[in-house]
Formats: sequence, structure tokens, C-alpha cells
Amino acid sequence: AQSVTQPDARVTVSEGASLQLRCKYSYFGTPYLFWYVQYPRQGLQLLLKYYPGDPVVQGVNGFEAEFSKSNSSFHLRKASVHWSDWAVYFCAVSRMSNYNVLYFGSGTKLTVEP
Amino acid sequence: GALVYQYPRRTICKSGTSMRMECQAVGFQATSVAWYRQSPQKTFELIALSTVNSAIKYEQNFTQEKFPISHPNLSFSSMTVLNAYLEDRGLYLCGAQDLSGNTLYFGEGSRLIVV
Repeated sequence: AQSVTQPDARVTVSEGASLQLRCKYSYFGTPYLFWYVQYPRQGLQLLLKYYPGDPVVQGVNGFEAEFSKSNSSFHLRKASVHWSDWAVYFCAVSRMSNYNVLYFGSGTKLTVEP
Repeated sequence: GALVYQYPRRTICKSGTSMRMECQAVGFQATSVAWYRQSPQKTFELIALSTVNSAIKYEQNFTQEKFPISHPNLSFSSMTVLNAYLEDRGLYLCGAQDLSGNTLYFGEGSRLIVV
């Protein structure tokens, strides 16, 4: 069965520092992977998505993620964090090619310190 | 651009009553709509997937009897939470997929508070 694990419930970084949020997936076959962000009291916004191809995917607001089949991972990175990045980040895997059917991780709450 | 509107944004209902929420796709045709729930302090769970002209598929632990869904055309879907209780609290998200199947658009959610 497909599933996603985000091992870090909370991450705190200083503004301007680099960021990595971890995501491990379990999926039989070729996964389609996503990172979403949820700002306070809002819904979900797509940061980036991975379809089979280039393992490094560029997203919005300077975010990128790297797919690793050997590690079953899809970690999210950002070179320099801004205070506006304070939010909860969700990694998700879709079932086959139906991108509407997403299985989400538990989320990582990012706190940005001044 | 493509947008998904959800209404109402927030509802407070008494335990045992029902709440209907709507999802409107603007600027694209939503061939399929997925409804998710985020319970307090938890992640998003898929409730059901609705595709126009196909049967609605409910995930385990969710039933049509409890969460009836209507998807009459390519721009609108609605879901009702019947006999809402405390465990039904949360943020209900609608995710709509366009004709190409490559893009999924989420609304901002309908928050259900049960008292």
C-alpha cells in the first residue's frame, strides 16, 4: 500500500538559513510525489510535484525537492528560508496517475526564528 | 486562472445536525473531485473520489450514508456531513482535477465546528 512518512513533526530554522524537510515514501511501482504547504488557517497550496524524469524538481518560492528511488525519499529543500515560510508542509504520494487521490504524510511544522 | 471556491468557509453546527458544503471550479472543467478531511492536529484523509458519469468511490471508514456527495456537472460538487458529531470536526478540502489530469487544484476548505 502507498504511504508517506514525515519523520520530523517540527523543524525550527533561523531566517536566512538553509532548510531540509524529510519525506520517505512507500509505493509499489513508480510514484508521483508532491509537496504542499498549509499556511495558518488556510487550505493547501502546491509547492512542487514529481513525475518520473529529472529527480530534482523546482517549485515555487525557491523550493526544490529531490527524488531518490534507492532511499525512497523525496526531501524538500530551500537555500535560504524567509519568515513567510512559516507553515506546515505536507508530503504526498498519488495512487498511480490519478493525481486527485493523494496520500498525505503527517506534516512538518516549520518555525522560522528571526 | 484556475480556481476552486469552497463554501461555506466555516460552520458551527449542533451535534446531530447536518452540514452541506460546496465546491465550485472556476476557469477549468473539473472532471474529478476528491474530498479530504483534516481532523484537528492531523493530516489529510481522503474521503471519496467523485468522477463525472462514474460511481463515487469512498475510502475505508467513510460511507455514502454519512457523507453523501453530488457532482452534477464539470464545475460543481457538494458534500454533506450527516448527523455531525465531535469526531467529524475539521477542515474539509475539495481537490479538483482538470481535463488534462495533470493538475489538481484545492479550495481553501470548509471548516466544521461541532458543539
